[in-house]
This record gives sequence, C-alpha cells and structure tokens, in this order.
Amino acid sequence: NAGVMQNPRHLVRRRGQEARLRCSPMKGHSHVYWYRQLPEEGLKFMVYLQKENIIDESGMPKERFSAEFPKEGPSILRIQQVVRGDSAAYFCASSQGAMMNTEAFFGQGTRLTVV
Amino acid sequence: ELKVEQNPLFLSMQEGKNYTIYCNYSTTSDRLYWYRQDPGKSLESLFVLLSNGAVKQEGRLMASLDTKARLSTLHITAAVHDLSATYFCAVDPYGAGSYQLTFGKGTKLSVIP
Repeated sequence: NAGVMQNPRHLVRRRGQEARLRCSPMKGHSHVYWYRQLPEEGLKFMVYLQKENIIDESGMPKERFSAEFPKEGPSILRIQQVVRGDSAAYFCASSQGAMMNTEAFFGQGTRLTVV
Repeated sequence: ELKVEQNPLFLSMQEGKNYTIYCNYSTTSDRLYWYRQDPGKSLESLFVLLSNGAVKQEGRLMASLDTKARLSTLHITAAVHDLSATYFCAVDPYGAGSYQLTFGKGTKLSVIP
C-alpha cells in the first residue's frame, strides 16, 4: 500500500505564474488535508477536503488559492499568480475518516520556490 | 485563536543525557500529537495522546498529556545521535478526530557525540 504521494517534490515558478500541487491519498482514504510550512516554522492548516467537497477552508488565503478533491484523481492545490511569499513546503495528509483513533499520514511534501 | 507553544525551540544535548520538551496550548483539547521531521523530509507520527493522563513510550521517547494544565511533554532518555531531528507537537482544536491541527513551531534537537 503506497503512502500518500505528492508531486512534484520540487517546483520552481516565476512570480505571476500558476502552481499546481497534487496529492494522491493512501488507498481507502477519503479525507485530505493540506498544510503549508514556512522555513523554520510549524505546519499551518490550510484546507480539509473529502471527495468532491470542501469541508473547511478556514486556513486558506482568500485570494489566489484554491483546492479540490474530485471524485476521480488526486487532490489539487492551485496557487494562481504566485508571489515570493508563497515559497514554502506544502504537505498533504490523508485519513480514512474523521473518527476517533484513525491516523493521518503525511506525504513527502512539495517544495515550492518562487523566483 | 488556538496557540501552541513549544520550548525550547533549539536544543543541543550530549549523547547519554536526558531532557524534556514542553508543549503548552491555549484551549481545551484532549487530542495531541507528536511528530518527528528530518531535514527535507515529511512528518513521521510518533505519538497520539487521546486523554488526560495518557502516557506513551517508544524506545527512548516518552510522551505524556495533562489536559487540565494544557501541557504535553516529550521526554528523551539517554539521547543518541539518531534522535537528532525537529519535533513538533500538534493539537486538534475540535477534539473530533479530524486533522485540522494546530502545530507548534517545533523543537530542533541536535544530539552531540
């Protein structure tokens, strides 16, 4: 059973371009969480999705950022018109459900650099 | 807004020594997680603490949770170099088992031979 797969692992974008980050959850997991980690900081929650639904996007910037988790395929975090401040590591985690004693597993992360 | 504070943020210790990392949080929660992160890597789950008084041990690491004091500790016994990493605590503010976690800033541990 492969773990949570994120790609690309590293992404370089020029200011103003779009960044698309992909996350394939573990098999059987229908809940996905995206986090952002700035250098020397802890992870900050961005968005929580279930298949075809956004459950909580309270941590997501209101502009330029969007996320989806379609019925088929990976979850996508999309950042439009990137700026230098978007440079960070973006992690996703997946879990079977929001139940007691379930565990979430993190992917390897995508390190976005905006130049 | 939930705040999670870890201290120390940096810790340099000699092999064989003991030390404790502290994690304080500002709201009621009975679900707390400890993770390890190596440079450039993802997060590895160490402990999930689900109730007041919970204590879990794995090898040289032991974690505990005091929900009344809003405090968790990660105790390191007889440190070895392989434990060098950054350790994060994270709190589930909803206590419902979802993973909308609030993380501390992390404690960067260096174990020196």
